[in-house]
Amino acid sequence: EIVLTQSPGTLSLSPGERATLSCRASQSVSRSLAWYQRKPGQAPRVFIYEATTRATGIPDRFSGAGSGTEFTLTISRLEPEDSAVYYCQQYGDSPLYTFGQGTKLEIK
Amino acid sequence: QVQLQESGPGLVKPSGTLSLTCSVSGASIISTHWWGWVRQPPGKGLEWIGEIYHRGNTNYNPSLKSPVAISVDNSKNQFSLTLTSVTAADTAVYYCARVSGSCSGGRCTNFFDVWGQGTLVTVSS
Repeated sequence: EIVLTQSPGTLSLSPGERATLSCRASQSVSRSLAWYQRKPGQAPRVFIYEATTRATGIPDRFSGAGSGTEFTLTISRLEPEDSAVYYCQQYGDSPLYTFGQGTKLEIK
Repeated sequence: QVQLQESGPGLVKPSGTLSLTCSVSGASIISTHWWGWVRQPPGKGLEWIGEIYHRGNTNYNPSLKSPVAISVDNSKNQFSLTLTSVTAADTAVYYCARVSGSCSGGRCTNFFDVWGQGTLVTVSS
């Protein structure tokens, strides 16, 4: 089973700053990685898929990078509405889908 | 606009059966998409349960301890989840979701692009 490890566990930044979230896979997943944003009481929402492709309606402040075992989600120019938990998810190994444990992003 | 809605009992007794249905609106379940279930136990991460195609093909998470089955009813545009012999460890918010895929460089990747709002199922006597 591929394990996804996200870091940091919690990130606290101010509006306008840049956030960099990391997701490391225990073995290569090529580019089969997605990022989700989840706000309290809401379902997850896909932001990035195939490591770098923004989903429909996602602002270009959000960008994904990486391949193999190292991935990052970068949020430039943070806004208060970006406060949420972000999860990475891989596809392809058994089980077909696994998620990271999440990074909580707090906007001061 | 595609919408998914979970329905089912919010409380199940230990060793009982957990049954949930996901109703799809705004799109036909008969499509190139797979349809899946994901859960999140309190204080824990997201866990994929399984997925189904409209023809009845299924994939399941082999790590699940409780027996699981996913079925589809094309006439009702619904798919369902059944977990048997449940324990307290099956207490979670259960989501149904649509699977979308993207292929490049000879490799495909799947992700969940539409989610239901989620429903809390508690396993307790």
